[in-house]
Amino acid sequence: GESVGLHLPTLSVQEGDNSIINCAYSNSASDYFIWYKQESGKGPQFIIDIRSNMDKRQGQRVTVLLNKTVKHLSLQIAATQPGDSAVYFCAELDIKAAGNKLTFGGGTRVLVKP
Amino acid sequence: DTAVSQTPKYLVTQMGNDKSIKCEQNLGHDTMYWYKQDSKKFLKIMFSYNNKELIINETVPNRFSPKSPDKAHLNLHINSLELGDSAVYFCASSRETGPPYEQYFGPGTRLTVT
Repeated sequence: GESVGLHLPTLSVQEGDNSIINCAYSNSASDYFIWYKQESGKGPQFIIDIRSNMDKRQGQRVTVLLNKTVKHLSLQIAATQPGDSAVYFCAELDIKAAGNKLTFGGGTRVLVKP
Repeated sequence: DTAVSQTPKYLVTQMGNDKSIKCEQNLGHDTMYWYKQDSKKFLKIMFSYNNKELIINETVPNRFSPKSPDKAHLNLHINSLELGDSAVYFCASSRETGPPYEQYFGPGTRLTVT
């Protein structure tokens, strides 16, 4: 299940199950929405992005869904593996603004149980 | 063959000192960034440079001064360090235009101010 408190929200998932990570964004003018994965002691790593004129995009074992009506973004990971344990961040990008500024959400920790 | 590298990986120093963090990318990108990640894992952009020109400066104290000697390097100098500067600092780089708008992050520098 998912818990929210003073610490980073954590999603515990059984190995082999599907994971769904949710994100609410704020800027309706954002052109792209991007998911990053950050493993312990490392920098964030790009997973997948979706343009604002799309509702769904699939990658290898991952699917991103975008609901602009409620400003909601989700990342689905199929058949979650131990290597998927990490903190996941959604980010918004407004390409009309100078400098390719990425605005990150607060992050969700995914713990995969064997 | 590291894409984005930072030195040092760890930096422990006392309040009031001045320190620098170095960043180099070998991806041929035109744009480089500095991000700060606090103890709650919140990631926020500080600066971005495009071809050695400052593009984004996000209300960062004047004690922080980025310097880009060439488009492959973006260093961060911090004067008069304060306790609140303790964080992990990430350098990143990207192409100037996309898609894709993927930013490549370095491994981070953990700064501890005592």
